[in-house]
Amino acid sequence: EVQLVESGGGLVQPGGSLRLSCAASGFTFSTYAMSWVRQAPGKGLEWVSTITGSGDSTFYADSVRGRFTISRDNSKNTLYLQMNSLRAEDTAVYYCAKAWYGDNYWYFDLWGRGTLVTVSS
Amino acid sequence: DIQMTQSPSSLSASVGDRVTITCQASQDISNYLNWYQQKPGKAPKLLIYDASNLKTGVPSRFSGSGSGTDFTFTISSLQPEDFAIYYCQQYDNLPFFGPGTKVDIK
Repeated sequence: EVQLVESGGGLVQPGGSLRLSCAASGFTFSTYAMSWVRQAPGKGLEWVSTITGSGDSTFYADSVRGRFTISRDNSKNTLYLQMNSLRAEDTAVYYCAKAWYGDNYWYFDLWGRGTLVTVSS
Repeated sequence: DIQMTQSPSSLSASVGDRVTITCQASQDISNYLNWYQQKPGKAPKLLIYDASNLKTGVPSRFSGSGSGTDFTFTISSLQPEDFAIYYCQQYDNLPFFGPGTKVDIK
């Protein structure tokens, strides 16, 4: 079955760190770019980060650049998001998404169920 | 940065109605525009990519059109399972989602 399963969310204090994981199955993981997209409670979608299939290139939203690091382990079919210096405004459901990324396209055709990150003291 | 305007922000419609949502970019984004559906408590689903291409498996009542700055998403005959929030997403430099349109029952 083609699926993405996120884990690692939880409650963390402001300034703290958390690492999210996303286990992929059912497709050739290393072939595809992967992304994280988040959604604050009651709000819309916000793209967070993308990493190419090889891991050679990474992209970040301005709101997280310098604090979050995306990475992947193609031998384990797993995507990661290391989140440091967390702020209250980072509170959201974080979705892992399989991405089609190229010169003329960038969209997300498979999504996980999401994992909730709550930043609060 | 490119600004995206999505309208309306919400609409009420009946089963069988034709529903149209528009997305406008502040500058030319060619056909770099995608549409997603999100139901409460669920992950988004891709419906349309590159402005007008229907994702495999998505019902043909969904369609998209446009290029440049103005884009349209249409549900030709609204079904009960279509009540959801719809987001456009542009890609010019980096991906960015529009604010969403909530489609609920009239």
